[in-house]
Amino acid sequence: AQSVTQPDIHITVSEGASLELRCNYSYGATPYLFWYVQSPGQGLQLLLKYFSGDTLVQGIKGFEAEFKRSQSSFNLRKPSVHWSDAAEYFCAVGAGDDKIIFGKGTRLHILP
Amino acid sequence: DGGITQSPKYLFRKEGQNVTLSCEQNLNHDAMYWYRQDPGQGLRLIYYSQIVNDFQKGDIAEGYSVSREKKESFPLTVTSAQKNPTAFYLCASSSSTGLYEQYFGPGTRLTVT
Repeated sequence: AQSVTQPDIHITVSEGASLELRCNYSYGATPYLFWYVQSPGQGLQLLLKYFSGDTLVQGIKGFEAEFKRSQSSFNLRKPSVHWSDAAEYFCAVGAGDDKIIFGKGTRLHILP
Repeated sequence: DGGITQSPKYLFRKEGQNVTLSCEQNLNHDAMYWYRQDPGQGLRLIYYSQIVNDFQKGDIAEGYSVSREKKESFPLTVTSAQKNPTAFYLCASSSSTGLYEQYFGPGTRLTVT
């Protein structure tokens, strides 16, 4: 069965520092992969997606993610975080029948 | 602007009462979804619908019911049979092209006391 693991429940970085959020998935075929962001009390916003092709995908707000089939990973990165990036981030994988399976999320805290 | 609306933002009910959460989309999407979100649990799928007048149970459908009479609307009823209904509820839609990309509404926080 498909699954998504986000190993880090909380991550704290200083403003201006680089960021990497980890995501590992389990899926038999070529996966459809997503990163979403959620501010407190809000809905989810799509940051970026991978369907096929170039394994490094660019998203909104300066985020990027790299698909590594050999490691079953789709880690999210940003070279320099801003205080406004503090939020919860969800990795997700397409799971058939138009469904998505979400990881449990990583909450990002930014130190001034 | 195209998007998904959920109303109300906050909802309070007494235990034993049924309550219906609204979800409307004007994106012309075929598929719609209801998720429940609890702290540390991620998003769990309650029900989804790929076409009007048809819907399927998700992972945690017990105590919930839905209808899909119009393409734009997918209301969720939280019944008195739901043992722990207090949660944040999110509605989403997708174009059902097989690419899975879902768009989310702002959510409804339901508190049952």
